[in-house]
Parts: sequence; structure tokens; C-alpha cells
Amino acid sequence: NAGVMQNPRHLVRRRGQEARLRCSPVKGHSHVYWYRQLPEEGLKFMVYLQKENIIDESGMPKERFSAEFPKEGPSILRIQQVVRGDSAAYFCASSPTGQGYEQYFGPGTRLTVT
Amino acid sequence: ILNVEQSPQSLHVQEGDSTNFTCSFPSSNFYALHWYRWETAKSPEALFVMTLNGDEKKKGRISATLNTKEGYSYLYIKGSQPEDSATYLCASPNAGGTSYGKLTFGQGTILTVHP
Repeated sequence: NAGVMQNPRHLVRRRGQEARLRCSPVKGHSHVYWYRQLPEEGLKFMVYLQKENIIDESGMPKERFSAEFPKEGPSILRIQQVVRGDSAAYFCASSPTGQGYEQYFGPGTRLTVT
Repeated sequence: ILNVEQSPQSLHVQEGDSTNFTCSFPSSNFYALHWYRWETAKSPEALFVMTLNGDEKKKGRISATLNTKEGYSYLYIKGSQPEDSATYLCASPNAGGTSYGKLTFGQGTILTVHP
């Protein structure tokens, strides 16, 4: 039974480049969440998606960040023109429903911007 | 804004000790309270989702209680073992926001169990 998968596990980007983080939810889960852990900080919500729809993006920075969860394929978190402050661990989670159900977390992608 | 707070920030206990820590959250508009366990270099793993005032849940040596009227939950570990060493997080869905999928996490309690 495969859990949430994220790739890559580690990503190094230079300032100004684009970063694409992928998340494959647990099979059968149609709700995906992205969280970010900045250095020395806790987990912070970014965005909640259901297949082809953004349900809640209240935690997403207004610029450079976008997320999608297409009908087929993984969810993608895209960061354009990365800056050093984007260096963080990005975690994806999934659940079978969105009504406060427990969320299953992936191993995270550690993004380093040089 | 929903604030979720945990105490203590860190805890060191000896193997065999029982321990507990606290999660506090605003009591208005309560929807649910989640507890997660996060071991170093692994993913956060759900322990409990609690929804009812007075609820008590148990998984092995770990149990949790919930008081929604006063806005707190306790997590108890009986007879701590070194493998219990982890960060314990509580989180609440944002009932005042746009969805119940958005979890607001506390800063966590880092538990270290010494052999």
C-alpha cells in the first residue's frame, strides 16, 4: 500500500530559477494539501486542492507560487523565480475526504535556493 | 486567526516514565483536533482525530483527551520508551476560514526518552 510520494526529495535551485515539486497522493485519495516548514518554524498550510479544483489557497504567497492537481497525474507545487527565502521543506498530504479527516503526509521535498 | 499552542516546547524523560503534554486552541467554532507524531527524518503520522467534548482515544500506550469548552487537549504516554522520542504536533482545521482541510499546527512538543 503506497503512501504519499513526493519527488524530488531534495532540490537545489539557483535564485531566479523555477522549482517544481510533485506529490502523488495515497491511491484513492482525491484531496491534497501542501504545507511548508521554514527553518526554525512549524508546519504552515499553503493550499488545499481537490481534483482539478483549488479549494483553499489562503496560505499561498500571492506571487510566484501556484499549485495544481490535474485529473490525471500528481499534484504540482510550482515556485517561479525562486529566492533564498523559499528554502524550506515542502510537505504534501492527502486524505479521502476534506471534512477534517486525518491527513497522510509524504516525506517532503527539501528545497535549497543558492 | 486560529492559534494553536503547545506546551512544553520540549521534554526529557527517563525510560519507563509516564508523561503528558498540552495543546490549547480557541474553543469557539470548534470542529476537530488532530494529534500527529513526527519522528526525525520521517513524515508526520496521524495519531488521533478528536471531535467530541470529553472524548478519550487510545492507541497502545498513548492516549488523548479533549475538552472543547475550555479549549485544550492532553496527550499521555504511559511507560515511555526510547522509540517514543519524536515531536508531537496538534492541529486544528480552520473552522473560521474557508475550508476544514486547512490544518493550523502548533509548534510541537519535542519528547526525548532516555534509556
